Amino acid sequence: DSGVTQTPKHLITATGQRVTLRCSPRSGDLSVYWYQQSLDQGLQFLIQYYNGEERAKGNILERFSAQQFPDLHSELNLSSLELGDSALYFCASSPRAYYNEQFFGPGTRLTVL
Amino acid sequence: GESVGLHLPTLSVQEGDNSIINCAYSNSASDYFIWYKQESGKGPQFIIDIRSNMDKRQGQRVTVLLNKTVKHLSLQIAATQPGDSAVYFCAENNAGGTSYGKLTFGQGTILTVHP
Repeated sequence: DSGVTQTPKHLITATGQRVTLRCSPRSGDLSVYWYQQSLDQGLQFLIQYYNGEERAKGNILERFSAQQFPDLHSELNLSSLELGDSALYFCASSPRAYYNEQFFGPGTRLTVL
Repeated sequence: GESVGLHLPTLSVQEGDNSIINCAYSNSASDYFIWYKQESGKGPQFIIDIRSNMDKRQGQRVTVLLNKTVKHLSLQIAATQPGDSAVYFCAENNAGGTSYGKLTFGQGTILTVHP
């Protein structure tokens, strides 16, 4: 158990819908990262927050957005969902903004029908 | 590259053998190279990292070798155990510019350890 929690574990929704994935980092970690894992694209970095502020951005679609709240939990919002958005979404956390050892949560499996 | 197709490289070994997992990287400017392990149904787990100015680093039962001349990274696992069966990813961390905590993952290698 990494200490990072993600909810929900599974999510099934339809195209065009909007969903919110939630992540609670390890106690004391200030940095949160979001990754997408799919069969065709592999494990892709989406976005990083540190102590409430956006720190780094990857190939995150404009339909996707994230935020980190004062209590340090984070949410990833996915809107206008398409079939291709079906994937595993991982949240990870680390104590600092630049840290190689990121602690990954168990992931949220999103299925778009 | 960063994409993963349906056909990941595979490595099959016997319990007790040593395993060597290889990775080719593309970004010479990366500051660190990292290995992660992902067991079935779980998120990736950090194994070891190496700074770009080093060529070897050892951990518990693992050794990472970095060859910058040919942009090659390897992970050696000594006395491989069934619990080592997983997908192994190499990753790069380039803190230059705005890339702070962004890890760029390779395609992954499936390691299967037979008892």
